[in-house]
Amino acid sequence: GAVVSQHPSRVICKSGTSVKIECRSLDFQATTMFWYRQFPKQSLMLMATSNEGSKATYEQGVEKDKFLINHASLTLSTLTVTSAHPEDSSFYICSAPLQGRETQYFGPGTRLLVL
Amino acid sequence: GQQVMQIPQYQHVQEGEDFTTYCNSSTTLSNIQWYKQRPGGHPVFLIQLVKSGEVKKQKRLTFQFGEAKKNSSLHITATQTTDVGTYFCAGPGNTGKLIFGQGTTLQVKP
Repeated sequence: GAVVSQHPSRVICKSGTSVKIECRSLDFQATTMFWYRQFPKQSLMLMATSNEGSKATYEQGVEKDKFLINHASLTLSTLTVTSAHPEDSSFYICSAPLQGRETQYFGPGTRLLVL
Repeated sequence: GQQVMQIPQYQHVQEGEDFTTYCNSSTTLSNIQWYKQRPGGHPVFLIQLVKSGEVKKQKRLTFQFGEAKKNSSLHITATQTTDVGTYFCAGPGNTGKLIFGQGTTLQVKP
């Protein structure tokens, strides 16, 4: 099956710093990738849709200047949490659908802890 | 906006008992998908249902899509400790994104 990787799996940073999370589709090309955030015991909340070669589409209430998304190639999307604060601590997960399919393959997620 | 609701939020069962989670969409869906997330893990695709009234089985798991294509259910027969996790249903929204239900967290007592 399709494999999506994420790096890093876990990161601890100080308040005010920026953190970059990478999402890679390992054995397929993904023109679209999705970024989710999940707080403990809650569902997945879609943050934005990452589009290869164009601007990301953000969901309502998600600050585009705080969560920078870059989809520079067909296999890589990055999410940068800028000037992170403790309330940004969460589980960030990316996903990608196979071309022409609606089902999504999720990365293993990144646990961010901002001190 | 489009919403996908799931009940119950939590379910504790004794090993061997059955379990069912229900999913309801505010709009008609072209398909419904089910994912499982183990504790500390990420969601893993289980199945997709497309046809009205469709029923699919995966070993002890039975998935059903309603006639009106607005609701779905997942039934697990004779639960095992390996079934522990959160089960999410999801329906397609605009531009290929998925709208997830709140999830049902299953705990199985051995």
